[in-house]
Amino acid sequence: KNEVEQSPQNLTAQEGEFITINCSYSVGISALHWLQQHPGGGIVSLFMLSSGKKKHGRLIATINIQEKHSSLHITASHPRDSAVYICAVPSSYNTDKLIFGTGTRLQVFP
Amino acid sequence: DTGVSQDPRHKITKRGQNVTFRCDPISEHNRLYWYRQTLGQGPEFLTYFQNEAQLEKSRLLSDRFSAERPKGSFSTLEIQRTEQGDSAMYLCASSLSRLNTDTQYFGPGTRLTVL
Repeated sequence: KNEVEQSPQNLTAQEGEFITINCSYSVGISALHWLQQHPGGGIVSLFMLSSGKKKHGRLIATINIQEKHSSLHITASHPRDSAVYICAVPSSYNTDKLIFGTGTRLQVFP
Repeated sequence: DTGVSQDPRHKITKRGQNVTFRCDPISEHNRLYWYRQTLGQGPEFLTYFQNEAQLEKSRLLSDRFSAERPKGSFSTLEIQRTEQGDSAMYLCASSLSRLNTDTQYFGPGTRLTVL
């Protein structure tokens, strides 16, 4: 069974700060997903990555397959970045299924 | 707006009643997933379809839960004899399954409150 752990659970920041959210998983995977969930429930897929680094605007996701660890970075954070950030990995016995972390709640204050 | 819609967005019901939720995926997507999310937790897999075939059901899905995708397009999730523990956000996602590019697109969710 693949377990997914995220840290921190909660994070507050001042506008402009550099943010890092971490995700660790227990078994080998083909790809890891980072998702964003705003109040009200809607989930948006941010990244799917299997190696190295991906960048989209102010968001950067990295993954270290050997260490089974991924990080999501937000540069120049803004109050509109306030959301829950969730990482997810395929289940070890059925890669069609995703196993989700509990999420990191980020609040960015002006 | 991801292109995945769910209806209703909110449902309040009394314990023991039946409820049905609908999900309309992105039209060309062949895969459709149902998840349940309780407060402070990440989503948990319930079941998924490839076209009209239901491929797997989680053991979280008791006999009171049933899901269908009759024509391989929209899907319904029915909960019979609701219990207070069924209160949660029910999320639907769809994807176009291709090797290494199975990004899931989530709907806005249906929030169920069982009184």
